Amino acid sequence: ETGVTQSPTHLIKTRGQQVTLRCSSQSGHNTVSWYQQALGQGPQFIFQYYREEENGRGNFPPRFSGLQFPNYSSELNVNALELDDSALYLCASSMDLVNTEAFFGQGTRLTVV
Amino acid sequence: GNSVTQMEGPVTLSEEAFLTINCTYTATGYPSLFWYVQYPGEGLQLLLKATKADDKGSNKGFEATYRKETTSFHLEKGSVQVSDSAVYFCALTPNTGGFKTIFGAGTRLFVKA
Repeated sequence: ETGVTQSPTHLIKTRGQQVTLRCSSQSGHNTVSWYQQALGQGPQFIFQYYREEENGRGNFPPRFSGLQFPNYSSELNVNALELDDSALYLCASSMDLVNTEAFFGQGTRLTVV
Repeated sequence: GNSVTQMEGPVTLSEEAFLTINCTYTATGYPSLFWYVQYPGEGLQLLLKATKADDKGSNKGFEATYRKETTSFHLEKGSVQVSDSAVYFCALTPNTGGFKTIFGAGTRLFVKA
């Protein structure tokens, strides 16, 4: 049990739709990162938020966006869904930027049809 | 750029066999190195970590030593159990702050009774 929870656990969307995935971090964790894990692959870094501001971004298009809230929750939004967006989406939280240990949620399995 | 390469799976072993999963990395400076484990249907769990050269991380019978000279962080266990069946990810976090963790592709381990 990492104390990081994600919702929903599974989701099916149609190509072109928009989706919002949610993550609740451990209390006191100021940093959250989101990852995309395609089937059979390692997680790929999407972006990181620190104290409600984006702190870094991986190689993902602007239709992937995020928010972090003062209550240690965060969202990943994906617009104009494509079939290749089907993946497990993981969030990971950490106490601060200098603490390199990340605590992962169980993930949201998104299927785009 | 930073990258992680780990041996391809699946790796199939009998119970009580010796396990080695190779991992090499490319990074500037001295990154922190990690092994994560992912059980079926779950998110990632930190297995062990090492933050500087020659450090040995260990947990649940697994060990890995940070080898700067060979840029390696191989995972070992002397006697595997059926319950160790999972996917193992080698990862690094650059020492530039934050935790934009970079993962290898993962190695699936099957342990037969």
